[in-house]
Formats: sequence, structure tokens, C-alpha cells
Amino acid sequence: SQTIHQWPATLVQPVGSPLSLECTVEGTSNPNLYWYRQAAGRGLQLLFYSVGIGQISSEVPQNLSASRPQDRQFILSSKKLLLSDSGFYLCAWTITDKAFFGQGTRLTVV
Amino acid sequence: EDKVVQSPLSLVVHEGDTVTLNCSYEVTNFRSLLWYKQEKKAPTFLFMLTSSGIEKKSGRLSSILDKKELSSILNITATQTGDSAIYLCAVGAGGTSYGKLTFGQGTILTVHP
Repeated sequence: SQTIHQWPATLVQPVGSPLSLECTVEGTSNPNLYWYRQAAGRGLQLLFYSVGIGQISSEVPQNLSASRPQDRQFILSSKKLLLSDSGFYLCAWTITDKAFFGQGTRLTVV
Repeated sequence: EDKVVQSPLSLVVHEGDTVTLNCSYEVTNFRSLLWYKQEKKAPTFLFMLTSSGIEKKSGRLSSILDKKELSSILNITATQTGDSAIYLCAVGAGGTSYGKLTFGQGTILTVHP
């Protein structure tokens, strides 16, 4: 069966520091992968999605970037974090429209 | 721009009550509407509704899609404290948006004993 791993679970970073969140999927090949952000326990905002290695589409211009170096690996990065980058970050993959989520990373920028 | 709106934003009920959560959408090339339950971390899948499946039921939960009104409801009967969660509605669209979901703001449901 397919599983999705996301780490770390929590992260506290100072303003201006770099960020790297990693997500990997097992049990499937060539998945569509997504990064979402959830602020204050509300709806999910799509940040990036990828339909294949090296293919990244950005939904919202911001301080973040994404990369897909391997088929089942998706990375969210920032060179310099802002206070506004705080939130709950979720990685997901989809079968048709049904999305399956990782356990999320709660990022606090201080 | 695709848009999904949920109401109410929050709801407080007592165990045994029945609740109805609403979701309306404006999307190009609608393909599906999904409901998720989020307790603490990852949202978990509840239902997916499409043109070929406009009504789904699982235990005390049921959902209906109204394509004419561009909306959906999620019903929970005989609520329990374990139903306390954020309920998220999402819409999938076709064409180049394949696989991307647009989420509503969520409804925070609190069930008191």
C-alpha cells in the first residue's frame, strides 16, 4: 500500500534562517505531489505541485521554493524565512482527485 | 479563479445533535468535490462526489452534491465527541488543473458531551 512520510513534525526557526522540509512517497511510481500550507487551523492553500521529476509549478509567489530531485521525493525550501512563513505545511499525493496527506510539519518562525 | 466557500466557519453542538455543513464552489471544469476530516494533523478522506456519484453515506455521515446549485452538504447524525474536528471541503477541476484541489476555509465542529 502507498504511504507518505513527511518530516520533521515540528520546527522552530529564527527569522532569516534557511528551511528544508522533505516528503517521500512509497508504494507508487510517478505520483503527482503537492505542498499545502494551512494557517491557524483553517483551509489549505496550495503552494506547489509537481507531475514529475524536475517539474514544479508554483501557485503563489512567495518566499518559498520546491524541488523534486527524485520520482518520490518532494522538498520545500526557503533561503531566508519570514515571520509570515509560520504555519502548518502538508505534503500530499493524489490518485485522480483523491489526495492523501503526510502528517504535516508545524513551522514556527521566531 | 476557483473558489470554495464553507459555512458555518464554526459550530458548537451537544452529543446526539445532527449537524449540516455546507460547501459552495465556483470552479472551471468541475470534476469532483471531496470532504475531509482533520483532527490534529493530516486530513483524512471522507467522501468524493462526482457527476456519476452525487450521494455518499458511511455510518452516521452522509453527503450530497447539488451540481445545479454548485454546492454540497455534509450531514452528521447522532454526533459524538469524536466528531470534533475541522471539516474541509475541496474541489477538483479538470483540464490542466488535473489533480489539484481548491480547499474551502473549513468548518470547526465542536461536540460537547
